[in-house]
Amino acid sequence: AQKITQTQPGMFVQEKEAVTLDCTYDTSDQSYGLFWYKQPSSGEMIFLIYQGSYDEQNATEGRYSLNFQKARKSANLVISASQLGDSAMYFCAMREGRGGANSKLTFGKGITLSVRP
Amino acid sequence: DSGVTQTPKHLITATGQRVTLRCSPRSGDLSVYWYQQSLDQGLQFLIQYYNGEERAKGNILERFSAQQFPDLHSELNLSSLELGDSALYFCASSVPQRGGGDTQYFGPGTRLTVL
Repeated sequence: AQKITQTQPGMFVQEKEAVTLDCTYDTSDQSYGLFWYKQPSSGEMIFLIYQGSYDEQNATEGRYSLNFQKARKSANLVISASQLGDSAMYFCAMREGRGGANSKLTFGKGITLSVRP
Repeated sequence: DSGVTQTPKHLITATGQRVTLRCSPRSGDLSVYWYQQSLDQGLQFLIQYYNGEERAKGNILERFSAQQFPDLHSELNLSSLELGDSALYFCASSVPQRGGGDTQYFGPGTRLTVL
């Protein structure tokens, strides 16, 4: 089974509107971390937001928030007030365990987001 | 700018050749990770080093090797290159995250083209 599933093939959003990018994960670990990265057409990978499995509140970073539903094993990224510069590929990733000696990330296939003016 | 540097940015070489990709982590980061991004395989973890020692291995081919030096920079060596090795190779380094775990910051990547 895939550890990270991103099934939306491509998303479109109007500028200034909010958009949700879906991510489901599969792990038997109790301790894990979930990450979202943005990859613009220039190719670099930009860290957006992190959610630990024991965090009781949903993570927020500026216009980004993570809708963490542990029982459903979902970690959806919400981007509020979309901007043209948000057009990019978005990757959900998971680190199983507490990190340190075992911090490798497993990535989903990514979702392409296009923001329309 | 993540603070992680990678050189070269682009590399074009021929099948059968050997190349070396270089990475300098963020100041103070002890862990370095290498990932490969290709169209068919997506983003895959290759190998992790922590303070000079190998810590974890992923889907890294035997033709590939890596090391981390005392100054913490890392090199990924790819030998007997094949067409299928063409990909974007990322290096990342990590900082401790609240509550445990590490957030990985990625370098700009090295785009390798094997002709």
